[in-house]
Parts: sequence; structure tokens; C-alpha cells
Amino acid sequence: AQSVTQPDIHITVSEGASLELRCNYSYGATPYLFWYVQSPGQGLQLLLKYFSGDTLVQGIKGFEAEFKRSQSSFNLRKPSVHWSDAAEYFCAVGGYNNNDMRFGAGTRLTVKP
Amino acid sequence: NAGVMQNPRHLVRRRGQEARLRCSPMKGHSHVYWYRQLPEEGLKFMVYLQKENIIDESGMPKERFSAEFPKEGPSILRIQQVVRGDSAAYFCASSPIVGGLAYEQYFGPGTRLTVT
Repeated sequence: AQSVTQPDIHITVSEGASLELRCNYSYGATPYLFWYVQSPGQGLQLLLKYFSGDTLVQGIKGFEAEFKRSQSSFNLRKPSVHWSDAAEYFCAVGGYNNNDMRFGAGTRLTVKP
Repeated sequence: NAGVMQNPRHLVRRRGQEARLRCSPMKGHSHVYWYRQLPEEGLKFMVYLQKENIIDESGMPKERFSAEFPKEGPSILRIQQVVRGDSAAYFCASSPIVGGLAYEQYFGPGTRLTVT
């Protein structure tokens, strides 16, 4: 069965510092991978997705993620964090028909001034 | 193009009452998913529906919970005889079909159910 692990429950970074959020997945076939962001009291917004092709994908708000098949990872990065990036981030993996998408438990990002 | 709409945004029910949560997918989307998010936890898949069909309900509790997506109108998640443990945020998502494949899911703002 597919699963997603986000090893870091909570991360704190200083504004302007770089960010990397980890995501490891388990999936028996070619995965479709996603990163979503959730602000307090809000729904989830899609940051970026990987279906195929270039393993480095660009998303909104300056985020990018790299798919590494050998490591079963899809880590999210941002070179310089802004205070407005404070939120909960979810990694998700889905399959061919997307009806079996599973989410990680999330990583809460706190940004220090 | 309006996004995924959910109502109500907040719902308070007493133990034993019924809760009905509604979800209108984005225009052109024919697939709907329901998730539950408990405090300090991630999203747990509940059910996946197409119009008039339940495709996968493997995440749905066997009792008291049901879901439908009729030909006309919104998708409904129904919880009968609610208990305090049902208190959570319930999110609906929809996805388009492109070339026969379902792609990324777009989420609604959620319904926060509180059972007193």
C-alpha cells in the first residue's frame, strides 16, 4: 500500500533562511507527487506537482521540489523563506488514476523574524 | 471559475444528531473526494466518488457515515448519530479528468464539525 512519511513534525527557520521539507514515499508504481500548503483555518492549496519529465519542478510562491526515485523522496525547498510562508505543509502521493492519493502527516513551519 | 465550495463552514451538533456536509466541486470536475482532519493530524482519506457512483470508500467508517454524489447537486457527506470523536475538519476535493486520468485535487475550505 502507498504511504507518505514526513519525518519532521515541526520546523523553525529564520526569515530569509533557506528551507527544505522532507518527504519520503512508498509506492509500487510510478508515483504522482504533490505538495500542498495549509494556512490556519483554511483548506489546502496546491504548491506543485510531479507527474513525469524533469525531476526538478517549480511551483508557486517560489517553491521547488526534486523527485529522487532512488531515494523515494520528494523534498520541498525554498531559497529564502518569508514570514507569510508559516503554515502546515503536506506531501501526497497518488497513482495512475489518482483515486488512491495519500497524505503525509504534515510539517508545521514556523518562521522567526 | 469558482473553486470547490463547502457548506456550512462551521457546524455544531449535539451527540446523537445528524450532520450533513455539502460539497460543490469546481466546474467541470466530476470526481469528488472527502477527507477528515483531526487536530494535529494530517488528512485521512474517507471516500472517492464520481457522479452517482462510489468508487472507493475504504476510508469511511463502516457505521453512521455515508456519502453520495447525485447526478444533480452537491456531494453530501452524512454522519448519523454523531459522537464527540466525530469532531474534526472535513475537507472535500475535486479533480478534473484529462484524457481519462484524474489529476491533482483542488480542495475546498473545509467544514469544521463540533459535537457537543
